[in-house]
Amino acid sequence: AQSVTQLDSQVPVFEEAPVELRCNYSSSVSVYLFWYVQYPNQGLQLLLKYLSGSTLVKGINGFEAEFNKSQTSFHLRKPSVHISDTAEYFCAVRDTGRRALTFGSGTRLQVQP
Amino acid sequence: GAGVSQSPSNKVTEKGKDVELRCDPISGHTALYWYRQSLGQGLEFLIYFQGNSAPDKSGLPSDRFSAERTGGSVSTLTIQRTQQEDSAVYLCASSLALAGEGEQYFGPGTRLTVT
Repeated sequence: AQSVTQLDSQVPVFEEAPVELRCNYSSSVSVYLFWYVQYPNQGLQLLLKYLSGSTLVKGINGFEAEFNKSQTSFHLRKPSVHISDTAEYFCAVRDTGRRALTFGSGTRLQVQP
Repeated sequence: GAGVSQSPSNKVTEKGKDVELRCDPISGHTALYWYRQSLGQGLEFLIYFQGNSAPDKSGLPSDRFSAERTGGSVSTLTIQRTQQEDSAVYLCASSLALAGEGEQYFGPGTRLTVT
């Protein structure tokens, strides 16, 4: 069984500041890792994913994440946020033998002017 | 192209009634998933269909929940004798059945309120 921990339920940040949203996971098997974003009253949209290869993955809207196997982390970063980045962000894992995603509890990013 | 669609977008029902939620996956996607998003439990997997294989029902919370997928396309999630704790947003996703990968595309969800 896997689990995902997003330590911060809310992250307030000023516009143009950098941000890091933390994600840690536990699993006894190899996993794929994902970050999804959910804008208000909308469905989930994939930001980026790690399947294999380079541990630094780049996604849409200027986001990137780094897979750290030794620390079982997959933190999401953006060097300069915009008001439009205000949304809820979900980290998710899927073991390579299953299809179902296991999600973290989400982090609400609030970008202030 | 069209994404995953779900209907209705909102459903209010009385405790004890049955409800049916519909999902139309992206054309050509052979894998279909149902998830539930609620305040208390976050995002949880419910059930997964892959082609003609037996579905993975390991996430269904009780035997009041069932789902079917007809003709490998449209899926219906049925909740019998609804309870207030069933109130949540029910999300459907679909993907190509690529080995090991297959990005899941999510629909907008159905918000279910049980009064």
